[in-house]
Amino acid sequence: NAGVTQTPKFQVLKTGQSMTLQCAQDMNHEYMSWYRQDPGMGLRLIHYSVGAGITDQGEVPNGYNVSRSTTEDFPLRLLSAAPSQTSVYFCASSYSFRMNTEAFFGQGTRLTVV
Amino acid sequence: AQRVTQPEKLLSVFKGAPVELKCNYSYSGSPELFWYVQYSRQRLQLLLRHISRESIKGFTADLNKGETSFHLKKPFAQEEDSAMYYCALIPAGNMLTFGGGTRLMVKP
Repeated sequence: NAGVTQTPKFQVLKTGQSMTLQCAQDMNHEYMSWYRQDPGMGLRLIHYSVGAGITDQGEVPNGYNVSRSTTEDFPLRLLSAAPSQTSVYFCASSYSFRMNTEAFFGQGTRLTVV
Repeated sequence: AQRVTQPEKLLSVFKGAPVELKCNYSYSGSPELFWYVQYSRQRLQLLLRHISRESIKGFTADLNKGETSFHLKKPFAQEEDSAMYYCALIPAGNMLTFGGGTRLMVKP
């Protein structure tokens, strides 16, 4: 039972490069989301999706794009990487947004932009 | 807008001592509150949720609506409790909002 799978685990980018962080879940969850984790700031929501074809912005969406063409996949695209995007990125999924629903997290992608 | 505050970035205690990780929230409605934990080299996982009123690994958390707090407590800390702890809330119809996290270090 894979749960939430993120790839890659580590990535180094040069400023201005673009890349896609992959996220897949096999639990048929409606909700998927991307967070970035920075020291002292906790996890901040970047983008989220409430189902295939529906996405919305979170707290810190600038510089990132998402799409949700299938229930299983929710890739995060960095359009033009900047050093400020150096962070650990977590993908999460949950059955629904309704109360008391547990979120399941991927193992994270550590991204360094130089 | 909702906000979760964890005032301590680092909490260091000795094994066997009581532990209290503080969490305060601001939200105009009735939120659902959670504690998530991240052990070293492991993924973030749910520890407990307030609606369940459960005790997990000896931890409990009580929602105090008057003080808008949801502190996590354990009477006797163990070394294996060392981890990063995040308080989080779900406002109605929205996504998880996390606090800044508290690193708990339990010394032998």
